[in-house]
Amino acid sequence: KAGVTQTPRYLIKTRGQQVTLSCSPISGHRSVSWYQQTPGQGLQFLFEYFSETQRNKGNFPGRFSGRQFSNSRSEMNVSTLELGDSALYLCASSPQAGATNEKLFFGSGTQLSVL
Amino acid sequence: AQTVTQSQPEMSVQEAETVTLSCTYDTSESDYYLFWYKQPPSRQMILVIRQEAYKQQNATENRFSVNFQKAAKSFSLKISDSQLGDAAMYFCALEIRAGNQFYFGTGTSLTVIP
Repeated sequence: KAGVTQTPRYLIKTRGQQVTLSCSPISGHRSVSWYQQTPGQGLQFLFEYFSETQRNKGNFPGRFSGRQFSNSRSEMNVSTLELGDSALYLCASSPQAGATNEKLFFGSGTQLSVL
Repeated sequence: AQTVTQSQPEMSVQEAETVTLSCTYDTSESDYYLFWYKQPPSRQMILVIRQEAYKQQNATENRFSVNFQKAAKSFSLKISDSQLGDAAMYFCALEIRAGNQFYFGTGTSLTVIP
């Protein structure tokens, strides 16, 4: 079974641009969550999608948005990029939402650098 | 609000020795789970071990074990017989049963010295 796939692995953008990151969950997984990882801050929760609906949202500005498609693939968009948005963005999938103790299956992340 | 604190940004251990990574958390919820995840240089997070809060018995997984002190809200990870492949960033995480949301600490970078 293929794991969680994130594309692209690396991305370089300039301030003011926008970016879209993609995540394909493990086949059969319906929940996809996104995290921002920066040195010293650990992983900060961005949002979680289940069956195309956003279930939870972290404390990030409206420039950060996402969506999930009917095949459970998810995209994350950041508009008007700022230098502080430089980070590793991790996507994780789990079989279903609401049933806790499900471990998260992570992708290898997209390293975004904003110049 | 939930918080997870890892007070050791970096740790090192000699190969074959034992090391303990610390984690404390804070939550007013009574039903939750705790996890340790490992992030090697490949960046992909891997589950190391998990603990159900309602279980008093500490979880073990081969060379990895936890010391779960619920009253103190402490959840440390012990790695025995450390191997070079254990070198990675380790994250402690808390999952609240109601809400299915994870909260992560800032990580501890573990170096294994040959």
